[in-house]
Amino acid sequence: TQLLEQSPQFLSIQEGENLTVYCNSSSVFSSLQWYRQEPGEGPVLLVTVVTGGEVKKLKRLTFQFGDARKDSSLHITAAQPGDTGLYLCAGEGAYNQGGKLIFGQGTELSVKP
Amino acid sequence: GAGVSQSPSNKVTEKGKDVELRCDPISGHTALYWYRQSLGQGLEFLIYFQGNSAPDKSGLPSDRFSAERTGGSVSTLTIQRTQQEDSAVYLCASSLAWDTGELFFGEGSRLTVL
Repeated sequence: TQLLEQSPQFLSIQEGENLTVYCNSSSVFSSLQWYRQEPGEGPVLLVTVVTGGEVKKLKRLTFQFGDARKDSSLHITAAQPGDTGLYLCAGEGAYNQGGKLIFGQGTELSVKP
Repeated sequence: GAGVSQSPSNKVTEKGKDVELRCDPISGHTALYWYRQSLGQGLEFLIYFQGNSAPDKSGLPSDRFSAERTGGSVSTLTIQRTQQEDSAVYLCASSLAWDTGELFFGEGSRLTVL
């Protein structure tokens, strides 16, 4: 069974601080996605990384896929209160199981002004 | 609207009753998925449909859970003889095709079993 371990589970920081969220597995994934979810809403895709070692930037957010495609990280620079939410990583199995994504437990981020 | 629509948004039921949750995917999306999310947790895969293929039911937690998709569009998730541990947010998502990768989620149906 493929599992994704996310850490930390909870993170409370002040506006302007930097943070990193980790997503780790012992399994290889063909791709890895990061979603953000706000209360009362469904998750919304932020980015998909496909190639080992790939780095993608989305404004103040930097996503990295590990060389072995077993782990990923999300780094936020100068966090803002609008970044508050639940961040979820989700992996697509190495044998391409389509939408049967495996989700991590999520990281609840709170950015205080 | 152009997004995935789910109903009801909230459902409170008594233990032992049956419930039906509905999902209307984005028009033109051939793949439809159901996930379950417990309070503040990640998503647990339940079932997915792709076109006319047999659904992948491997995530359904028990035989009290079933789902159907009529006409390749609207889907209904049915939970029979509900238990308190069934309380969760049930999220539906759709995508253009099963291997597209990006899922578009609805806002979810929050089920509370008393």
